[in-house]
Amino acid sequence: AQKITQTQPGMFVQEKEAVTLDCTYDTSDQSYGLFWYKQPSSGEMIFLIYQGSYDEQNATEGRYSLNFQKARKSANLVISASQLGDSAMYFCAMREDFDQTGANNLFFGTGTRLTVIP
Amino acid sequence: DTGVSQDPRHKITKRGQNVTFRCDPISEHNRLYWYRQTLGQGPEFLTYFQNEAQLEKSRLLSDRFSAERPKGSFSTLEIQRTEQGDSAMYLCASRAARQETQYFGPGTRLLVL
Repeated sequence: AQKITQTQPGMFVQEKEAVTLDCTYDTSDQSYGLFWYKQPSSGEMIFLIYQGSYDEQNATEGRYSLNFQKARKSANLVISASQLGDSAMYFCAMREDFDQTGANNLFFGTGTRLTVIP
Repeated sequence: DTGVSQDPRHKITKRGQNVTFRCDPISEHNRLYWYRQTLGQGPEFLTYFQNEAQLEKSRLLSDRFSAERPKGSFSTLEIQRTEQGDSAMYLCASRAARQETQYFGPGTRLLVL
């Protein structure tokens, strides 16, 4: 089973508007972390925001906020006041804390391509 | 604050050749990860180092792949006898102990002809 599901292959948003990118996850662990990364066409993965499973408040970083709904196992990214430079691929990822291997590696979804329209 | 760096950024090779990629993590990050990203997919975990010890390898890492981190600083990923299916972006990430976030390098794009 997929650990991270991103159901929106592509999204369009008007400049200065807000947009929500969907992410659902699957884990039986109680302790885990959820991340969003941005990948421009250059290829580098840029960290945007992190939410721990025990964090009661939704994470916020500038124009980015993470809408964390634990019971629904969703961790949607909200980008407010979209800018042209926000056009990129966006990946949701999860780290399981009780990783038997000890690696605590990230599991990624397939991404959502966001296009900001002027 | 210097980020994760990778070299080369692009590599074109012929099938059957060997290639080696280098990753320099953020200084003082003792955890280092390699991921592979194919077209239209998210990155997939390949291997993990804690200091110089390679503690975990994914089943994706066939015996043609080998990774090292000899002094617990930079790491190399070598692919022997490359195949067209090895064409991908190879991403390196590092993380400090007790920190949550993995920081990624710019990646190495490999094309096997």
